[in-house]
Amino acid sequence: GAVVSQHPSRVICKSGTSVKIECRSLDFQATTMFWYRQFPKQSLMLMATSNEGSKATYEQGVEKDKFLINHASLTLSTLTVTSAHPEDSSFYICSAVGTGDNYGYTFGSGTRLTVV
Amino acid sequence: QQQVKQSPQSLIVQKGGISIINCAYENTAFDYFPWYQQFPGKGPALLIAIRPDVSEKKEGRFTISFNKSAKQFSLHIMDSQPGDSATYFCAASPLGSRLTFGEGTQLTVNP
Repeated sequence: GAVVSQHPSRVICKSGTSVKIECRSLDFQATTMFWYRQFPKQSLMLMATSNEGSKATYEQGVEKDKFLINHASLTLSTLTVTSAHPEDSSFYICSAVGTGDNYGYTFGSGTRLTVV
Repeated sequence: QQQVKQSPQSLIVQKGGISIINCAYENTAFDYFPWYQQFPGKGPALLIAIRPDVSEKKEGRFTISFNKSAKQFSLHIMDSQPGDSATYFCAASPLGSRLTFGEGTQLTVNP
């Protein structure tokens, strides 16, 4: 089946630094990538939607200058948390949608970001 | 109109019992209804999904029941096992578009 590889699985960074999270679709072309944020014991909150080669569309209240999304190819999307602060600590998850036979949403395994 | 309401928030079931989780939606443009299972520290994994042209779909111990007129759908887990203990999310979307998630149900299956 479709697989989305997300890295790193865990990252600890100092306040003020930037962190990049990668999601790769391994066996299909991801035309659309969704980025979610999840706090403990809560549901997934959509942060932004990106289509290959286009600028990401951010949800209301999500700072586009803080959460930079790049979807430069059909197999790779990245989320960069810039100037991270402790309140950015969360679980970040990507989800990819492909074309052709694969209309399902395939989720990455998530990245636990801790900002100290 | 974009909400998906999920209940119960938590559920405790004995091993071998039936776990039932319910969801309701409002947006009639939704035409894809998946259920996801999530273990701590992991991303959601698709369990089973249904389109509105059928009222029921079964895969192994997991069954989705769908009531289009009531705009409700539910997940039934038959013969629940301790390994099924996880958080379950329903979701809905126009196919290929953004998913709207329910609030989640923490399922505990006691041995």
